[in-house]
Amino acid sequence: GENVEQHPSTLSVQEGDSAVIKCTYSDSASNYFPWYKQELGKGPQLIIDIRSNVGEKKDQRIAVTLNKTAKHFSLHITETQPEDSAVYFCAASFSGSARQLTFGSGTQLTVLP
Amino acid sequence: EAGVAQSPRYKIIEKRQSVAFWCNPISGHATLYWYQQILGQGPKLLIQFQNNGVVDDSQLPKDRFSAERLKGVDSTLKIQPAKLEDSAVYLCASSLPVNTEAFFGQGTRLTVV
Repeated sequence: GENVEQHPSTLSVQEGDSAVIKCTYSDSASNYFPWYKQELGKGPQLIIDIRSNVGEKKDQRIAVTLNKTAKHFSLHITETQPEDSAVYFCAASFSGSARQLTFGSGTQLTVLP
Repeated sequence: EAGVAQSPRYKIIEKRQSVAFWCNPISGHATLYWYQQILGQGPKLLIQFQNNGVVDDSQLPKDRFSAERLKGVDSTLKIQPAKLEDSAVYLCASSLPVNTEAFFGQGTRLTVV
């Protein structure tokens, strides 16, 4: 089955700096890669996703890049703000007959004011 | 639109007791997932339903866990008997048919003592 590794496990940045979180996956058949933000006491919320036919996707301060050859993808957050502090999870799946997400272990992002 | 509803939010039980969690997905979402999230880890899929049929329950510990979605709408997840290692947050998610975003509920935090 799919295995997703995520680094780093914790990340502290100064407000206004950029943050980068990296993930690698094992199953070359995976073709859908979402990123979720989970705040304390809440369920994960999708913030951005990318499919294998695209190398990069951007939404305001958030961007995701995908390298299918190397089987890794990254989340980039620019101009970080205190409200970006949360746990971020990457995930991978093959969107065939069923969507089954395999999650990474999470990154605790802390944005220092 | 209303989100995924889960209850209870918190539950504390003694080992060997039984417990049940309830989930009401977003209206019209045919696909429903139950995930287990152990502290410090990413969510792990337990079971996936498409309408009232099971798509995948390969990671469900069937000797103690059971789940049903009788009318293809809301769902219950049961643990009997509970073990200490079942302490986790149980997340329910739903989505339209495959290839669309999965929306998560707030989860039920289970503590087994």
